[in-house]
Amino acid sequence: AQSVSQHNHHVILSEAASLELGCNYSYGGTVNLFWYVQYPGQHLQLLLKYFSGDPLVKGIKGFEAEFIKSKFSFNLRKPSVQWSDTAEYFCAVIAYNNNDMRFGAGTRLTVKP
Amino acid sequence: ETGVTQTPRHLVMGMTNKKSLKCEQHLGHNAMYWYKQSAKKPLELMFVYSLEERVENNSVPSRFSPECPNSSHLFLHLHTLQPEDSALYLCASSPHTSAGGPEETQYFGPGTRLLVL
Repeated sequence: AQSVSQHNHHVILSEAASLELGCNYSYGGTVNLFWYVQYPGQHLQLLLKYFSGDPLVKGIKGFEAEFIKSKFSFNLRKPSVQWSDTAEYFCAVIAYNNNDMRFGAGTRLTVKP
Repeated sequence: ETGVTQTPRHLVMGMTNKKSLKCEQHLGHNAMYWYKQSAKKPLELMFVYSLEERVENNSVPSRFSPECPNSSHLFLHLHTLQPEDSALYLCASSPHTSAGGPEETQYFGPGTRLLVL
């Protein structure tokens, strides 16, 4: 079964700083990849997803992620964070034609105004 | 608002109680899921229903009993829970029958915060 690891448990940045959150997965076959965000007191929301095609995917709110198959990675990036980006970010992986989606433990992002 | 609603939003129960969590999706999806979110742990998939049939059961204790009467509704019946079952229980739905299929995305509800005393 696939597994997901997120390298950072808590990241603290100042506004306008650049962000990169790491996500690595272990699975040898075809996968679908996701980043979800959970703002304080709110439900999990889809930020972006990769199924196929261009490995650089753009999501909402200026976020993007790059799928590097050789590194089994799907890192999340944003060039300039805002205070409103304070949230918990979850990377998720699901093997093709499988019902078992695996989540990373999450990375809490705190952006200082 | 994702089109997936859950009730109640908060629940406190004793270990001898029986309660049920309800999930409803208004998206016309065919698959529904229960997840458990505990502090500092990854989300754990508990159950998957596809077209009202259970297709995944990830070694969940029998004190959790799911029910999917139709493709829009999903229940999680709880009985004789333990304090370690306290967590946020999330429901999700996706359009098709195979969660890993092409263009498949799960949409989550707000969760039920459960506290077992």
